[in-house]
Amino acid sequence: QVQLVQSGAEVKKPGASVKVSCKASGNSFNVYYIHWLRQAPGQGPEWMGWINPSTGGTKYAGRFQGRVTLTRDTSVSTVYMELSSLKSDDTAVYYCASVPPLRPADYHMDVWGKGTTVTVSS
Amino acid sequence: DIVMTQSPDSLALSLGERATINCKSGQSVLYNSNNKNYLAWYQQKPRQPPQLLIYWASTRASGVPDRFSGSGSGTDFTLTISSLQPEDVAVYYCHQYYDAPYTFGQGTKLELK
Repeated sequence: QVQLVQSGAEVKKPGASVKVSCKASGNSFNVYYIHWLRQAPGQGPEWMGWINPSTGGTKYAGRFQGRVTLTRDTSVSTVYMELSSLKSDDTAVYYCASVPPLRPADYHMDVWGKGTTVTVSS
Repeated sequence: DIVMTQSPDSLALSLGERATINCKSGQSVLYNSNNKNYLAWYQQKPRQPPQLLIYWASTRASGVPDRFSGSGSGTDFTLTISSLQPEDVAVYYCHQYYDAPYTFGQGTKLELK
């Protein structure tokens, strides 16, 4: 089963960008769709988008379109989530999560990273 | 977007009691071509990521105790914990993966009485 290791906490000022990484280990990187979600304090998870690490294909939630970019570097088995034009209400824990191997994006997410706290504050 | 609505928002029960959490989706999440409900349940404890409990509405994930069960189809779903244990104190979310944007319920907080 894949393991997902995320980068460390970030503190950013309003208007800046943040880039969070998610490294997959333990199995073949290209066979897992990776989703990105976030969870604001006291709220439920919110889906942001997915990336197909094999092709680089992506799909984004409409409310993040134009502000979020998912990329991957197959040489280091890592996917990245970059969020731009940060606002205070982007303060949240950001998660990557994978679906089972060789399954499409619209599948249950069974492995999650531990999360990366992003704080946006002036 | 498919809105997921859970009830109740919170629940306080004694050890050994049965817990029932309901989830209603704004439209059917049953995919007719394979007869699968694209509905999952997650458990989340403080400072931890959500953990998959149930998928396809009623299939337990690997390692999940059999006191957890899921039922329902179409738009109405239920998570049942047959006999509450101390380690079940958590927030529970239903989640639809039928159609993007994939959405979650608001959560049900389960506490011990």
